[in-house]
Amino acid sequence: GNSVTQMEGPVTLSEEAFLTINCTYTATGYPSLFWYVQYPGEGLQLLLKATKADDKGSNKGFEATYRKETTSFHLEKGSVQVSDSAVYFCALSRSGANNLFFGTGTRLTVIP
Amino acid sequence: DTGVSQDPRHKITKRGQNVTFRCDPISEHNRLYWYRQTLGQGPEFLTYFQNEAQLEKSRLLSDRFSAERPKGSFSTLEIQRTEQGDSAMYLCASSLGGQVFNEQYFGPGTRLTVT
Repeated sequence: GNSVTQMEGPVTLSEEAFLTINCTYTATGYPSLFWYVQYPGEGLQLLLKATKADDKGSNKGFEATYRKETTSFHLEKGSVQVSDSAVYFCALSRSGANNLFFGTGTRLTVIP
Repeated sequence: DTGVSQDPRHKITKRGQNVTFRCDPISEHNRLYWYRQTLGQGPEFLTYFQNEAQLEKSRLLSDRFSAERPKGSFSTLEIQRTEQGDSAMYLCASSLGGQVFNEQYFGPGTRLTVT
């Protein structure tokens, strides 16, 4: 089947700390991979994406690399800010499919 | 482009009542999706429309749930005879057909509480 496993939260970091949120997936074929972010009181927003192996998605200082050999898509940021506090969801879309499969989400809190 | 909108944002209802939610997608998007998100979980796919045609339904979508998109624009999701287990956030998303990577844009959601 298709599934996404994220590291459990919550994660609390000090401002300017390094962030890693682990994500691994199980899928048939060659899925596209996504990170979505949900800020307090707002809807899900696409943060970054990668559509094939070894692609690196990046946005707003966040990066994630599509690793087929380890079936992973870990989210990283070198220096987090208070404004990065949100819930982060890893997701996949199977090739030719229309729906997204989401992980359970990881809540990040950045303290000044 | 005003984004995906959903109405109402919150709904409290008593068990056994029917409720209906509305979703207005981004105007040029021909694909529309409904998801359900319970507390502490990620969104789970419910159903998908391409234009007015409902092309896919999840096993999560019981007989009490029905979705329509009559003119290929806005969509409604109705839940009949609500149960406490239906309490969740109902999310709508839309996308432009033909994309390789199926980038979906989400609305703010409708939070349903069944008492």
